[in-house]
Amino acid sequence: GAGVSQSPRYKVAKRGQDVALRCDPISGHVSLFWYQQALGQGPEFLTYFQNEAQLDKSGLPSDRFFAERPEGSVSTLKIQRTQQEDSAVYLCASSASGREGTEAFFGQGTRLTVV
Amino acid sequence: AQSVSQHNHHVILSEAASLELGCNYSYGGTVNLFWYVQYPGQHLQLLLKYFSGDPLVKGIKGFEAEFIKSKFSFNLRKPSVQWSDTAEYFCAVNARSSASKIIFGSGTRLSIRP
Repeated sequence: GAGVSQSPRYKVAKRGQDVALRCDPISGHVSLFWYQQALGQGPEFLTYFQNEAQLDKSGLPSDRFFAERPEGSVSTLKIQRTQQEDSAVYLCASSASGREGTEAFFGQGTRLTVV
Repeated sequence: AQSVSQHNHHVILSEAASLELGCNYSYGGTVNLFWYVQYPGQHLQLLLKYFSGDPLVKGIKGFEAEFIKSKFSFNLRKPSVQWSDTAEYFCAVNARSSASKIIFGSGTRLSIRP
């Protein structure tokens, strides 16, 4: 596609429910990033993939958060047993390579509300 | 660890006023620097970026930023703002040695009075 696509755009989950957020990066992009953006804050890094390899997951806030990119293209961010503090916009970005200075293109995000 | 500070949370200007948004970063090594913009209801878009070379970088829509290494700063400027510049602006950095995660500041909301 023309840009990074994320689905769903909006998700309301009951506390304790599991959710799965999908990211379709720009075709051919090697690198894929997940960020969490709370209201009024900047995006906070969660995890990074280069192709199918998860090279950095230092930003995942707990073991309830899990991300995968099994075939090196589409990625899924899964949150188990959601809590109210998980409410945020989850952003996905992709870039053509992991080399320095390569621009990252962002999707519209998925707004998750946990009630 | 890297961090980015944006001094102003909300800036309000009249059209045609000059703009400068502050950004300071904390990192001991060599960095790449970015400014991203988020217009209302839209996704983050790159305004400009600095990798190396001329520390004065020009971006889209008349924006520019100057990298001052001694001050660890990368301030964003525009000589004359327009109403359409109303948006959230984010400064960001990533370490040259680890061209993976980009660290963002908390953002500055810019409101332009018509």
